[in-house]
Amino acid sequence: GENVEQHPSTLSVQEGDSAVIKCTYSDSASNYFPWYKQELGKRPQLIIDIRSNVGEKKDQRIAVTLNKTAKHFSLHITETQPEDSAVYFCAVTTSGTYKYIFGTGTRLKVLA
Amino acid sequence: ETGVTQSPTHLIKTRGQQVTLRCSSQSGHNTVSWYQQALGQGPQFIFQYYREEENGRGNFPPRFSGLQFPNYSSELNVNALELDDSALYLCASSLDVDEQYFGPGTRLTVT
Repeated sequence: GENVEQHPSTLSVQEGDSAVIKCTYSDSASNYFPWYKQELGKRPQLIIDIRSNVGEKKDQRIAVTLNKTAKHFSLHITETQPEDSAVYFCAVTTSGTYKYIFGTGTRLKVLA
Repeated sequence: ETGVTQSPTHLIKTRGQQVTLRCSSQSGHNTVSWYQQALGQGPQFIFQYYREEENGRGNFPPRFSGLQFPNYSSELNVNALELDDSALYLCASSLDVDEQYFGPGTRLTVT
């Protein structure tokens, strides 16, 4: 079945620095890749997503890149702020199917 | 915040009991997916309902069951509760199957 690996499991950065989280997937038919941010005790929130017909997508300080050949995609956060501290999950699915496969999560700590 | 709501917020049950969790989907959405999130882990897919029919199931035993109503709200039922069922249960609604938006979750504790 589909497998999603996410790295690193924890990441500490200084405020203002950039953070990069990477996910690798196994099913080449996967074509939708969302990223979720989950603060302690709260729901996962969709922060950005990308489809397989696009290589990169950006929304203010957040960007996602996709390498279909290598089957990996990455979340990039620039100019990090303390409120970016949370657990970030990647997910993988194939349009028209029913199941999201989530990565194991990355705990990001932005140090002031 | 999304328009997805879940009830109850917290629940404490005893091993062997049964529990029903509820989810109201966002307006206009016809699909509800249920996930189990153990502490420190990513959400694990339980099953999905699309227009009142089960549309797929993850690796969970039959004592995990559900249904979806004509207004697209949904219930998750768990029978014969086990200690390992303690987790945050999340539902996510979507229009068809992409772009899922999560509810706040129900924290279930089994003692």
